[in-house]
Amino acid sequence: DQQVKQNSPSLSVQEGRISILNCDYTNSMFDYFLWYKKYPAEGPTFLISISSIKDKNEDGRFTVFLNKSAKHLSLHIVPSQPGDSAVYFCAARNQAGTALIFGKGTTLSVSS
Amino acid sequence: DAMVIQNPRYQVTQFGKPVTLSCSQTLNHNVMYWYQQKSSQAPKLLFHYYDKDFNNEADTPDNFQSRRPNTSFCFLDIRSPGLGDAAMYLCATSTGGSADTQYFGPGTRLTVL
Repeated sequence: DQQVKQNSPSLSVQEGRISILNCDYTNSMFDYFLWYKKYPAEGPTFLISISSIKDKNEDGRFTVFLNKSAKHLSLHIVPSQPGDSAVYFCAARNQAGTALIFGKGTTLSVSS
Repeated sequence: DAMVIQNPRYQVTQFGKPVTLSCSQTLNHNVMYWYQQKSSQAPKLLFHYYDKDFNNEADTPDNFQSRRPNTSFCFLDIRSPGLGDAAMYLCATSTGGSADTQYFGPGTRLTVL
């Protein structure tokens, strides 16, 4: 039973436009959420995170929004660039120092 | 640069032949993790060490073992690799604190012949 779901396997966006990647979760005990970016043959690279006590966190072109009542978070990339093309994983955890539960990832393709 | 290093990047072994994957970190983090990621799937935690305390996930097969001889190093031992163990193995570290971001190494791609 998947506790973290990324329902869109892929997303295609034009350069300069906004990319919105979505993630849903089922465990209300999750207290920390993260987004990772992964290129082929490399490990996931940390992008941005958000604590459950917040509803928004911004870092440059990347913003993560958390809607606890809907158990939904999203990653916005503005403006999108071709170098953003990668697999994006949403992850969550319910206690420090324990496992991250990952979604299956969304492949983002940004065309120029 | 502080980082998580995995060796080798690519490992080929034969069916049933023991293999060891290595991870080291210069971040001085308390927690080290091993994840398995199969093609088009989410990374799945096998086990982790919080300092010297070993924590095994309930569904991790006995075929997988781990050692952490010191803070910097952690090893994944696969005692008798099967074809189904072919995957990317990812090592990660974290502080174990409240804003506990896990940092990943580049992974080791294991092929079982």
